[in-house]
Amino acid sequence: RKEVEQDPGPFNVPEGATVAFNCTYSNSASQSFFWYRQDCRKEPKLLMSVYSSGNEDGRFTAQLNRASQYISLLIRDSKLSDSATYLCVVMSFNKFYFGSGTKLNVKP
Amino acid sequence: GAGVSQSPSNKVTEKGKDVELRCDPISGHTALYWYRQSLGQGLEFLIYFQGNSAPDKSGLPSDRFSAERTGGSVSTLTIQRTQQEDSAVYLCASSLARLAGESTGETQYFGPGTRLLVL
Repeated sequence: RKEVEQDPGPFNVPEGATVAFNCTYSNSASQSFFWYRQDCRKEPKLLMSVYSSGNEDGRFTAQLNRASQYISLLIRDSKLSDSATYLCVVMSFNKFYFGSGTKLNVKP
Repeated sequence: GAGVSQSPSNKVTEKGKDVELRCDPISGHTALYWYRQSLGQGLEFLIYFQGNSAPDKSGLPSDRFSAERTGGSVSTLTIQRTQQEDSAVYLCASSLARLAGESTGETQYFGPGTRLLVL
């Protein structure tokens, strides 16, 4: 079983839509959680950390459910520029485990 | 300030040759990671350096792969006797050391990667 699993998508949504991605992780002792964004042929960049109480950054909301071992990312009012692959990342004892990513296509 | 840099940006080599990839982490970052990413795939952990501690080499796929980090800064990843399946993007990332009770040191900053093609 993979450490981190994500639906690869693609999610094709119109501009302005709300879209949600989930990610599950296998190690219950995992300590930190992140969402990274990766544009085509570019390196991953941190989108946001995920805190136990949930956190929001503009149009992006991240939530963590430790009991069920999943993380979610909600994007409201999607923009064309949100089109990218979103990587779920879990850290356990200084090792980072990356999901394979969920591809989002926002269309006009 | 300068981010993580990697060189070369692209490398084409013949099967059986050795290649050396370089990573310059962000100044002051004590943690350095190497990953590889095949086309359309997720990131595969290769090796992790933390300060002066022994590196975590658990992700290296074979003994043809090795890495060094000199003086706690620059790192080189060496692939000996390259095979076609080694073709991938090799990404380096650095972060501050994670201190107890802090989360800000955990953010990884990635370099632009080296695209390796083995013919």
